[in-house]
Amino acid sequence: DAGVIQSPRHEVTEMGQEVTLRCKPISGHDYLFWYRQTMMRGLELLIYFNNNVPIDDSGMPEDRFSAKMPNASFSTLKIQPSEPRDSAVYFCASSSGAASYNSPLHFGNGTRLTVT
Amino acid sequence: GIQVEQSPPDLILQEGANSTLRCNFSDSVNNLQWFHQNPWGQLINLFYIPSGTKQNGRLSATTVATERYSLLYISSSQTTDSGVYFCALGGYNKLIFGAGTRLAVHP
Repeated sequence: DAGVIQSPRHEVTEMGQEVTLRCKPISGHDYLFWYRQTMMRGLELLIYFNNNVPIDDSGMPEDRFSAKMPNASFSTLKIQPSEPRDSAVYFCASSSGAASYNSPLHFGNGTRLTVT
Repeated sequence: GIQVEQSPPDLILQEGANSTLRCNFSDSVNNLQWFHQNPWGQLINLFYIPSGTKQNGRLSATTVATERYSLLYISSSQTTDSGVYFCALGGYNKLIFGAGTRLAVHP
């Protein structure tokens, strides 16, 4: 299996622009998570999906952030408009089944976003 | 919410040394995992261990759920063990990450 695939690996954009991050989970995994990592706040859970349905988006910082999962093999995280404080590494992760049944979380390689 | 404390925050070892990393948590959980973030930023799952002991090569982990702590043991450390080790735990699906232990192994 190719693992969780994220694109792009790096994104540099100007403040005010729209940014779209993409993720392909591991085939067969029915849970998908978006995390953000910064030096100040560490790893934060933004939102997670189960069977393509958003379950908990309480970590999404504000309305400028939105996430979708149109099918089992694709998810996007969109920031519109972007701001310099959104600069971070964004990780997508997936797991199979309920986490109580030995379902380790697998991360993609992340997207490093820089907003100037 | 769940509080996760990892110690020590930083650790420097000579190659070949052993070490123990600790994760304390505030509430009972049914999902605890250890991760290694290598110097290139990749997050690798090491253990899924809500209770008991598991071993994988030079690494092993023990979770004592009743006392709300987990330990990660690294034996005969190698330079490739360098990076940040995270403990993550929570309810069924919502994992909360600790601040991590930054490990540097010198040759």
